[in-house]
Amino acid sequence: QQPVQSPQAVILREGEDAVINCSSSKALYSVHWYRQKHGEAPVFLMILLKGGEQKGHEKISASFNEKKQQSSLYLTASQLSYSGTYFCGTDPNDYKLSFGAGTTVTVRA
Amino acid sequence: DGGITQSPKYLFRKEGQNVTLSCEQNLNHDAMYWYRQDPGQGLRLIYYSQIVNDFQKGDIAEGYSVSREKKESFPLTVTSAQKNPTAFYLCASSGWDGSYEQYFGPGTRLTVT
Repeated sequence: QQPVQSPQAVILREGEDAVINCSSSKALYSVHWYRQKHGEAPVFLMILLKGGEQKGHEKISASFNEKKQQSSLYLTASQLSYSGTYFCGTDPNDYKLSFGAGTTVTVRA
Repeated sequence: DGGITQSPKYLFRKEGQNVTLSCEQNLNHDAMYWYRQDPGQGLRLIYYSQIVNDFQKGDIAEGYSVSREKKESFPLTVTSAQKNPTAFYLCASSGWDGSYEQYFGPGTRLTVT
């Protein structure tokens, strides 16, 4: 079962913040976040493991609420380079990921 | 440099022909995956393999076949039984399970007419 991502798309001005949500119907072992630029391969951002801590990478951070089977990705003080489609991938501990449909982020100057 | 290579980048085929997409990794990863991506959509898992000579069907395996004879290689064959094969195909590799990040190849864009 694919996780559900929201919103589908978001438009930001440089410096603004955004939150992307990922919700699963299954108990999760890990949540992955990836960013894909148009026509390119997805690039890994971070993993959140069950029982682990909130992760961060510069001004992009994420949280994982195991009880609610949800994860959120936080884009802080967005830059032009943050534009792309963000995917969450969820693993209920069966050795493979199910990916959400993606959230398209457009950052404008 | 370590990484994943996929070839070719663009592939054109006539309907009714089988076609094989190449995927090679030199990251010494145990697990390898094939995904299909349609325009504006997420990634859907076709097949995955955690060890040599073993592989499992993903969510959309019908019309596809794979082999894993070497740790480094995981080719995907799109058969004529696949009803709608035109798509962007991505290969990925990772450590054993979902606690490891997946590294993606550059993808192959297959067009069948």
